[in-house]
Amino acid sequence: AQSVTQLDSQVPVFEEAPVELRCNYSSSVSVYLFWYVQYPNQGLQLLLKYLSGSTLVKGINGFEAEFNKSQTSFHLRKPSVHISDTAEYFCAVSDPDTGRRALTFGSGTRLQVQP
Amino acid sequence: KAGVTQTPRYLIKTRGQQVTLSCSPISGHRSVSWYQQTPGQGLQFLFEYFSETQRNKGNFPGRFSGRQFSNSRSEMNVSTLELGDSALYLCASSLGTATDEQYFGPGTRLTVT
Repeated sequence: AQSVTQLDSQVPVFEEAPVELRCNYSSSVSVYLFWYVQYPNQGLQLLLKYLSGSTLVKGINGFEAEFNKSQTSFHLRKPSVHISDTAEYFCAVSDPDTGRRALTFGSGTRLQVQP
Repeated sequence: KAGVTQTPRYLIKTRGQQVTLSCSPISGHRSVSWYQQTPGQGLQFLFEYFSETQRNKGNFPGRFSGRQFSNSRSEMNVSTLELGDSALYLCASSLGTATDEQYFGPGTRLTVT
């Protein structure tokens, strides 16, 4: 079974500073990778996804992520954060070989942007 | 285009009772998945329905069940509630292929006392 590790439970950062949220997944022949954001009292919103092709994926709100197969990582980055980016971020994987749409999530990283 | 709606948004139940949660997917979406979110276990996949058939199932006891109607609306049922069932239950809808995006609803917050 797939597993996802988000190494940082909380990441405090100042406004306009860069940020990286780390995600590692258990190895598999192939995976689909996703980053979701959850604002307080809301559901999840997709930031970006990697299915195949270019390893650098650009998403909404200025976020991007890089798929690294050798390190089984899919870290999320933003060059300059805003107060409004304060939220919880979840990395997730699914297994394309089985056709399962079930997502396996990491434990989440709370991004706290300070003025 | 209306998003995924879940009703009710908040619910308080007593141990031993049963509960039914409802999810209306985005128009045209045929797949509905359910997830449980708790502080201790995080986000866990419950099950997925596609065209009224359960297509995938997570590792949850039989007390958790679901169904999907011909209009793609879905319900999940939890019988004999336990304190540990207190959670945010999220529903996600999609077209149903392995690559398309899952759109999440705001969730139903269930509290079991």
